[in-house]
Amino acid sequence: KAGVTQTPRYLIKTRGQQVTLSCSPISGHRSVSWYQQTPGQGLQFLFEYFSETQRNKGNFPGRFSGRQFSNSRSEMNVSTLELGDSALYLCASSERTLNTEAFFGQGTRLTVV
Amino acid sequence: GQQLNQSPQSMFIQEGEDVSMNCTSSSIFNTWLWYKQDPGEGPVLLIALYKAGELTSNGRLTAQFGITRKDSFLNISASIPSDVGIYFCAGDQGAQKLVFGQGTRLTINP
Repeated sequence: KAGVTQTPRYLIKTRGQQVTLSCSPISGHRSVSWYQQTPGQGLQFLFEYFSETQRNKGNFPGRFSGRQFSNSRSEMNVSTLELGDSALYLCASSERTLNTEAFFGQGTRLTVV
Repeated sequence: GQQLNQSPQSMFIQEGEDVSMNCTSSSIFNTWLWYKQDPGEGPVLLIALYKAGELTSNGRLTAQFGITRKDSFLNISASIPSDVGIYFCAGDQGAQKLVFGQGTRLTINP
């Protein structure tokens, strides 16, 4: 089985711009979660999508949004980028059964200048 | 946001030594997961624990789900150079929303 695929791997954007990140989950996995990883805050949950619906949301401003398509692929969007949005954005997929086993992609390294 | 208390933050050991790290929380978790992350990569799942008291092994790795459901530990026996990396614990309260520890950075002297 192919793993979780995130594109692009690296991205440099300017303050005020917006960005879209993509995640393809493991085949058969219908749950996709997004996390932000920074040296200061560690790994923080952004949101989770299952069956094209956002099921859970973390404590991030409304500039962070996402969506999921019928094939379970997910995109995450950040609008009006700030310097503090520079981070590794990780996507995790799972089968969303009673027992959670979340598998992560390699991440997208976003740098805001 | 909420985070787990993971310790130690870093470890410097000799190759061949055993390693032990743990995570504690004030909240109860239904699932405990242990991940390893190499530089520039995403976390890789090492062990998943689902029942209080459960002890699970994966090769030289052993992890336990605490009886109170508020803690977990990970042991690595006979460490080798490829064990170098950052280890994270994560807890799930049943909402598919993982809460992570701050990580334990493992460095091994050959």
